[in-house]
Amino acid sequence: AQSVSQHNHHVILSEAASLELGCNYSYGGTVNLFWYVQYPGQHLQLLLKYFSGDPLVKGIKGFEAEFIKSKFSFNLRKPSVQWSDTAEYFCAVTSKDTNAGKSTFGDGTTLTVKP
Amino acid sequence: KAGVTQTPRYLIKTRGQQVTLSCSPISGHRSVSWYQQTPGQGLQFLFEYFSETQRNKGNFPGRFSGRQFSNSRSEMNVSTLELGDSALYLCASSQTSGRAVNEQFFGPGTRLTVL
Repeated sequence: AQSVSQHNHHVILSEAASLELGCNYSYGGTVNLFWYVQYPGQHLQLLLKYFSGDPLVKGIKGFEAEFIKSKFSFNLRKPSVQWSDTAEYFCAVTSKDTNAGKSTFGDGTTLTVKP
Repeated sequence: KAGVTQTPRYLIKTRGQQVTLSCSPISGHRSVSWYQQTPGQGLQFLFEYFSETQRNKGNFPGRFSGRQFSNSRSEMNVSTLELGDSALYLCASSQTSGRAVNEQFFGPGTRLTVL
């Protein structure tokens, strides 16, 4: 069975600080990887995705993530956070082999950015 | 394109009742997935429908069921409601080609409160 682990439940940063949120997954096959964000009062939206190719993927709003296959990791990064990045961030995995429309989510990381 | 819409947005029911939630996917999306989001359990996959057939199912009791219509709209039903069913129910749609799935687009959710 797939599982996703996000290392931090709550992260507090000051504006302009750098961000790295950890995500590790457990699955023996080939995966698609996603980061979603949920801003306060809004619904989940996609930040970035990895299907294949360059393991460093860039998403919206200056976010990027690196897929390291040997470590089963897909960490999210942003060089300089803004107050508007305050939100909950979810890492998710789908299997390329089966369960096409089934995403397994991590528990989420709440990011609070202090102005 | 219009996004994923869910109705109703809020619902209050009492224990033992049943409830039906509705989801209209993005036009052209044939896969519809349902998730339950709670503070304690995070985002849990319920089931996925594709071309009116349930393609994947999560680990929820039989009280949770769903269906998809020929226009890809989907409904989920929960019978004999329990207090623990209080949650945000999210619908997500995606384009698929065979088993390959693109990212999922989420609706705003239906907030179900069971009293």
